[in-house]
Amino acid sequence: KQEVTQIPAALSVPEGENLVLNCSFTDSAIYNLQWFRQDPGKGLTSLLLIQSSQREQTSGRLNASLDKSSGRSTLYIAASQPGDSATYLCAVSGSAGNMLTFGGGTRLMVKP
Amino acid sequence: DVKVTQSSRYLVKRTGEKVFLECVQDMDHENMFWYRQDPGLGLRLIYFSYDVKMKEKGDIPEGYSVSREKKERFSLILESASTNQTSMYLCASRTESPPNQPQHFGDGTRLSIL
Repeated sequence: KQEVTQIPAALSVPEGENLVLNCSFTDSAIYNLQWFRQDPGKGLTSLLLIQSSQREQTSGRLNASLDKSSGRSTLYIAASQPGDSATYLCAVSGSAGNMLTFGGGTRLMVKP
Repeated sequence: DVKVTQSSRYLVKRTGEKVFLECVQDMDHENMFWYRQDPGLGLRLIYFSYDVKMKEKGDIPEGYSVSREKKERFSLILESASTNQTSMYLCASRTESPPNQPQHFGDGTRLSIL
């Protein structure tokens, strides 16, 4: 059974820092990997999706990488801002392409 | 933009009641999903539907059923609510074409069973 782990569980950084969030998964037979953002009491917002054949995806200040063979993904946030404060979740999709297995999330606080 | 709307943000029900959670999406997506989110347990899939009247069990289907009579609407039913079903419930939808599209989530329903 697929297991997804995110480290650290919580992170506090000063504004302007570049930071890396980590995600690892136990079964490398994935269809894709997604990164989401969740604000308190809200639903999830999709940030980036990396297909299993891809190595990375970029959107603005966000860059996500995927190393399928080692079962790892990283989300890089450049020049962090207080508005980036949220919980970041990674999720992997199995061969069916539908069912997502989520990590426990990293709660990020960016201090002004 | 994709819009996934869950009918209630907060809901309080009593033990033993039959509870309906409704979800509507406006993008003609084939796939729809129900998750629950609990502290320390994360997000877990309850059921998903890949087409009208079609459903598949997720990781934790016990105590729940679903209904999808129309493509845009996916309902989660708690047949006889129990206190351990107090949770945040999240609905999502996704298109199958083109492939490799993300799931889009609603804002969630925070359900309390007393």
